[in-house]
Amino acid sequence: EAGVAQSPRYKIIEKRQSVAFWCNPISGHATLYWYQQILGQGPKLLIQFQNNGVVDDSQLPKDRFSAERLKGVDSTLKIQPAKLEDSAVYLCASSPWTEETQYFGPGTRLLVL
Amino acid sequence: RKEVEQDPGPFNVPEGATVAFNCTYSNSASQSFFWYRQDCRKEPKLLMSVYSSGNEDGRFTAQLNRASQYISLLIRDSKLSDSATYLCVVNPYNAGNMLTFGGGTRLMVKP
Repeated sequence: EAGVAQSPRYKIIEKRQSVAFWCNPISGHATLYWYQQILGQGPKLLIQFQNNGVVDDSQLPKDRFSAERLKGVDSTLKIQPAKLEDSAVYLCASSPWTEETQYFGPGTRLLVL
Repeated sequence: RKEVEQDPGPFNVPEGATVAFNCTYSNSASQSFFWYRQDCRKEPKLLMSVYSSGNEDGRFTAQLNRASQYISLLIRDSKLSDSATYLCVVNPYNAGNMLTFGGGTRLMVKP
């Protein structure tokens, strides 16, 4: 079974630029999550989707971050404009609705200069 | 107070040693608890769930103390391959799959 796919794996941008990340969850997984993991910290949930609807986005900085999952499958996370403190690994995870285990993708490592 | 707190370590132990990590959580209504493992520059992966009665998986034993709101992970006979960061994870809600991660405890097993 294919795992969670993410791209790009690495991205370097300058502050105030825009960036987008893509995630394709495990086939059949209804729930999709985006996390931000700053170096030395645990992952922090940014947004959770159930199919194409948002379950929780209370920790998403909505002035600069946006996410969508239009067809209930893959998802994009955008940062516009980026700040230095956005430098982190952005992890996508998915799970079947009936299961608590989350399966993570390899992440996108973002460096904002 | 953080929702899930862990000692960041690092714990440096020799091969064959027994090591224990603790984690505390703030929401007394939390229902589900897990340990995830994260290797350097890799994604987190589920190590084991933590049940009220305690559970064991090979060299790994997890325990939950609801009264004191802490979770523990015991690793016996440490291997070099156990070197990783161990993340304590709590589902603080009765419904839904939203997980709250601790900051992780780093373990380094030396020859």
